[in-house]
Amino acid sequence: GEDVEQSLFLSVREGDSSVINCTYTDSSSTYLYWYKQEPGAGLQLLTYIFSNMDMKQDQRLTVLLNKKDKHLSLRIADTQTGDSAIYFCAESLMNYQLIWGAGTKLIIKP
Amino acid sequence: NAGVTQTPKFQVLKTGQSMTLQCAQDMNHEYMSWYRQDPGMGLRLIHYSVGAGITDQGEVPNGYNVSRSTTEDFPLRLLSAAPSQTSVYFCASSYRGTNTGELFFGEGSRLTVL
Repeated sequence: GEDVEQSLFLSVREGDSSVINCTYTDSSSTYLYWYKQEPGAGLQLLTYIFSNMDMKQDQRLTVLLNKKDKHLSLRIADTQTGDSAIYFCAESLMNYQLIWGAGTKLIIKP
Repeated sequence: NAGVTQTPKFQVLKTGQSMTLQCAQDMNHEYMSWYRQDPGMGLRLIHYSVGAGITDQGEVPNGYNVSRSTTEDFPLRLLSAAPSQTSVYFCASSYRGTNTGELFFGEGSRLTVL
């Protein structure tokens, strides 16, 4: 069945770039998403990319999509303490349902 | 603008008790859903609704019931609580008119079943 995989933890130094990776299995996905969950809160959409795009940039965020390898990445430039959160990758299926990764906890070291 | 509102935020139940988690949205979204979040497992879909009067099962529906009598409300009922239902529950909604499918989440309801 469909599956989305991501590492559970990533630790980076403040000011460095963070790269969070995700692999998915369904080649018919229309959109791929990155959601952010801050402690004690619900998830909020951070950014998304349409499946016919290779890259999307939005201020400090860069999303790269490799359709051949079914690999999605989120790069956060100049990582700040406010970026500490859990980042979820998700893919949309044709029936509008989303398949979610387990989430990557981003830990910022001073 | 309230968005998606969930109540209660915290609840402790004993095994066998029943309860209802409330979810309301004020964005006129057709789609509403309930997820549970467990450590290391991401989000799992329990039930969802594409409009008033229409509900369907998600990935993990057993032990839960839903109804959608209005566009705004989508309550989740636990019929006979079990320790395996200890989790954080999220309600989410979206507007079906856009293909981006952005989900708007409530702040979550943390449930402990003893």
